[in-house]
Amino acid sequence: AQKITQTQPGMFVQEKEAVTLDCTYDTSDPSYGLFWYKQPSSGEMIFLIYQGSYDQQNATEGRYSLNFQKARKSANLVISASQLGDSAMYFCAMRDRGGGGADGLTFGKGTHLIIQP
Amino acid sequence: SQTIHQWPATLVQPVGSPLSLECTVEGTSNPNLYWYRQAAGRGLQLLFYSVGIGQISSEVPQNLSASRPQDRQFILSSKKLLLSDSGFYLCAWRRGRANEKLFFGSGTQLSVL
Repeated sequence: AQKITQTQPGMFVQEKEAVTLDCTYDTSDPSYGLFWYKQPSSGEMIFLIYQGSYDQQNATEGRYSLNFQKARKSANLVISASQLGDSAMYFCAMRDRGGGGADGLTFGKGTHLIIQP
Repeated sequence: SQTIHQWPATLVQPVGSPLSLECTVEGTSNPNLYWYRQAAGRGLQLLFYSVGIGQISSEVPQNLSASRPQDRQFILSSKKLLLSDSGFYLCAWRRGRANEKLFFGSGTQLSVL
């Protein structure tokens, strides 16, 4: 079964609008971490934001915030006031103790976000 | 500060030729090291990881191998490339603590023709 599901293969958003990128996850481990990465056309993977399963508050980093709904196993990324430079692939990822791989991350298939002027 | 270097950036190789991709990390010691592959338009698949010198674990059976001859050096190899080995290869590292983020290299675009 897929551990990370990103249901939006692609999104077109008008510049300056807010964007919500969906991510749902599946784990039976009570301790886990959720990550969002941005991959521009250059290919590098840029860390955006992290949410721990025991964190009481939703994570925020500048224009990025994570809408963490634990009961629904949902960790959506919200980008406020989108900019043209936000156009990129966005990946949701999870680390849990059952994932193996020396705690490497399990990634979703990504969402291709295009910001239109 | 820590940095990760990965090379080459692009590589075009014929089927059946060998492969060697290198990754080095600076500014930290005893990192966990990872090789991921990203097929076109898809997410990242973990290929190998290493928690120490000479310690390599494979996540998926394949035509590739990995080695860690030094603490901060991670090498991805193949004796004979297949067409299906084409993809974008990313090296990554993290500190050996729970829920630390991964830091990625700039990637290698491998085309096997």
